[in-house]
Amino acid sequence: ETGVTQSPTHLIKTRGQQVTLRCSSQSGHNTVSWYQQALGQGPQFIFQYYREEENGRGNFPPRFSGLQFPNYSSELNVNALELDDSALYLCASSLGSGVETQYFGPGTRLLVL
Amino acid sequence: AQKVTQAQTEISVVEKEDVTLDCVYETRDTTYYLFWYKQPPSGELVFLIRRNSFDEQNEISGRYSWNFQKSTSSFNFTITASQVVDSAVYFCALTGNAGGTSYGKLTFGQGTILTVHP
Repeated sequence: ETGVTQSPTHLIKTRGQQVTLRCSSQSGHNTVSWYQQALGQGPQFIFQYYREEENGRGNFPPRFSGLQFPNYSSELNVNALELDDSALYLCASSLGSGVETQYFGPGTRLLVL
Repeated sequence: AQKVTQAQTEISVVEKEDVTLDCVYETRDTTYYLFWYKQPPSGELVFLIRRNSFDEQNEISGRYSWNFQKSTSSFNFTITASQVVDSAVYFCALTGNAGGTSYGKLTFGQGTILTVHP
């Protein structure tokens, strides 16, 4: 196990609602990255947080937002949920914001009805 | 832009067979890193290997081996004497200097579903 934890494990929401997903990074890691993995696809980069600042963003709309806390844990918030937001959301932690290896948590499976 | 292609969508083998998973990448970065991850049915991505663009030596770890060829932009993964527990989705991924911004965005391939039958 990597030591990266995510909560909740599963979540069901309806279209238009808002959701918050949480991630605790591996001990000693200061960087958290979030990915969305649709069924049958590879993970897609959402954004990365390094020392509480957003450090890079993929091709996702502003309704996807995040936070990183002083203990380096992180939240992913998604507003105005759409059906296409149904996916596995993966959090990864790493030591540093560059090309260091990212270690993934077990993910949160979100279903939007 | 970076791109990773895993042309094999699904592979099915019988236990003890050797199997090679292909990965071809595209990048304009001169320094980049390649990764392989395993995703069992539980969903968690398990890190297998990280290789930088300056190190073309092949690597072996137990039944796993990796062949990096910069000339063909490939980073293939071979499992020797496959076992049922190797059944999973395998992803190849790439990260680089991203035009100087130096953040660790991983670009993943579509994944290869490996099924090992007893």
